[in-house]
Amino acid sequence: AQSVTQLDSQVPVFEEAPVELRCNYSSSVSVYLFWYVQYPNQGLQLLLKYLSGSTLVKGINGFEAEFNKSQTSFHLRKPSVHISDTAEYFCAVTLGGTASKLTFGTGTRLQVTL
Amino acid sequence: DAEITQSPRHKIIETGRQVTLACHQTWNHNNMFWYRQDLGHGLRLIHYSYGVHDTNKGEVSDGYSVSRSNTEDLPLTLESAASSQTSVYFCASTGTGIYEQYFGPGTRLTVT
Repeated sequence: AQSVTQLDSQVPVFEEAPVELRCNYSSSVSVYLFWYVQYPNQGLQLLLKYLSGSTLVKGINGFEAEFNKSQTSFHLRKPSVHISDTAEYFCAVTLGGTASKLTFGTGTRLQVTL
Repeated sequence: DAEITQSPRHKIIETGRQVTLACHQTWNHNNMFWYRQDLGHGLRLIHYSYGVHDTNKGEVSDGYSVSRSNTEDLPLTLESAASSQTSVYFCASTGTGIYEQYFGPGTRLTVT
């Protein structure tokens, strides 16, 4: 079975600073990877996804992530954060197939301050 | 626009009562999922369905049940609510060959 580890439960950062949210996964087979964002009192919104091809994937709101198969990582980055990026971020993995169940990490709270 | 809705958005019930949380999607997706979100645990899968009349247990299915009588709806029932079931519940759906899931806005359930 696959699993996802988000090492940082909280990441404080100043506005306009760069940020990296870490995600590591474990699986004996190929996986598909996702980052979701959850703003306060809302559902989850897809930020970006890696299915195949280029290991650097770009998402919405200026975020990007790099798939590293050898390190089984899928870290999320943004070169300059804004106050509005304050939210909970979840990394998720699926094995694919016809109807794929997602396995989520425990989430990282990004807190952006002035 | 297609969407996925959940109702109610907030619910308070007493221990031992039965409650059903509704999930309705207009994406025409075959696959639907129920998760619960708790601090420190992320989202955990409760039940899921791959189509009409199909239901499957997830990792935290005890005390919950679902039924799928049509494509659009997957209601989640707590037969006898317990305080440990106080949580935020999310419904999601995805179509065949689509790997990302689309989430509803959530239902905050408090069992007193």
